[in-house]
This record gives sequence, structure tokens and C-alpha cells, in this order.
Amino acid sequence: DTAVSQTPKYLVTQMGNDKSIKCEQNLGHDTMYWYKQDSKKFLKIMFSYNNKELIINETVPNRFSPKSPDKAHLNLHINSLELGDSAVYFCASSETGASGNTIYFGEGSWLTVV
Amino acid sequence: AQSVTQLGSHVSVSEGALVLLRCNYSSSVPPYLFWYVQYPNQGLQLLLKYTTGATLVKGINGFEAEFKKSETSFHLTKPSAHMSDAAEYFCAVSDNTGNQFYFGTGTSLTVIP
Repeated sequence: DTAVSQTPKYLVTQMGNDKSIKCEQNLGHDTMYWYKQDSKKFLKIMFSYNNKELIINETVPNRFSPKSPDKAHLNLHINSLELGDSAVYFCASSETGASGNTIYFGEGSWLTVV
Repeated sequence: AQSVTQLGSHVSVSEGALVLLRCNYSSSVPPYLFWYVQYPNQGLQLLLKYTTGATLVKGINGFEAEFKKSETSFHLTKPSAHMSDAAEYFCAVSDNTGNQFYFGTGTSLTVIP
């Protein structure tokens, strides 16, 4: 069983469209994340949720809106897609309350905006 | 604030040679340190981590790293490189709540046959 699964893995869409990426973890973790990896492999945190509550919201355009219906799911919705949104988006999860937590990553969603 | 610096965005080694990937951290509190590996078109997976205790940490695939507080370093090593080690490697540090990870900029390892 995949611990952190995200769909779709590949997504090609036109500028101006709205798209969503779904993420689910079956590890029983309390904290979930969205990371963006650009073409230079830089990893940047976008959001972090703890038990469905937003705890980290880095400087991200408000076109990006995370939604956590329950602690096992954290979806990412993107409005009015722009060329610069092309990247790999990683969902991840970790335990909370224990220091030295390991973050477990999904396989990534490759978003290409044309 | 915490941060990590990975020296060398690209490292090339011959197959069978020593692998050394450098990571220095900055932290005002005792750090928790991690190395992750990313194979092409895949997500990141944990290689090893240091939390407390023994400063020499062994990970998967023959990798190990040593926490050196005096040098604020957590370099990753492997005695003998294998072709399958070619990947992107990320060093990371977390704070004591575990809610925020700070990743380095990554080091791309190439193994030359």
C-alpha cells in the first residue's frame, strides 16, 4: 500500500484553467504538507496542515487553495493557472508532537501549464 | 531560524569511489537532521536521520552520516559508489516541533562507470 498517494501524477493544462491535485495518506499522521519543486530541484514548502487546521502558509499566490476535509486528506486547488505554475508538486505527511519527525513524500504530480 | 547549506550542486564520482556530499546547518536549538534521496521522476525518500544519541548514523543502501556539532555539519558518505546511487540528494533540518522542515538546495550525484 502506498503511504502517501497523490493524483494525478501528470497533468498538462492550458493557462487560465482551474485544476486540483488530490492527496491521501494512510499512515495515521496528523500533519500534511504541500511542497513545490521547480525545474532547478529547489523544494519550497507551500502549506502545512495539522489535524485539518492550517499551520503554515508560506508566501503563495492566493490562486492556490489547500483543502483538508479530514486529517488523512489534503487537496490542492489552483485557479487561473499560469505558465510559472509549471512544477512538480509533492504532498507529504508526518507525525506531530514527536521531535525529529520523518516526512513521508508522495510520488509527485508533474504539472505543465501551456 | 534554521537553514541548511549543501556545498556543491553537482558531484561526480567514479563507480567504486568514495561518495561525500556536504551539508552544513544553522540552528539555534539542537537540530534534527535528515538526508533524503530523490531518484529521477520519483518522490523523496528518507536515507537516514539524526535525532539524539550516536552521532554516526547509518542509513539505507550503505550510506552513513556523522553529526559534528563543533563543525555544524552532517555530511553524507558512502565508501563505494554504485551506478544506482545516481540521484538528487537533499539535506534537511527540522525544528523541535517537527512542523517545519528546511531543505537544502540539493546535490545531484553522477556516478561514472
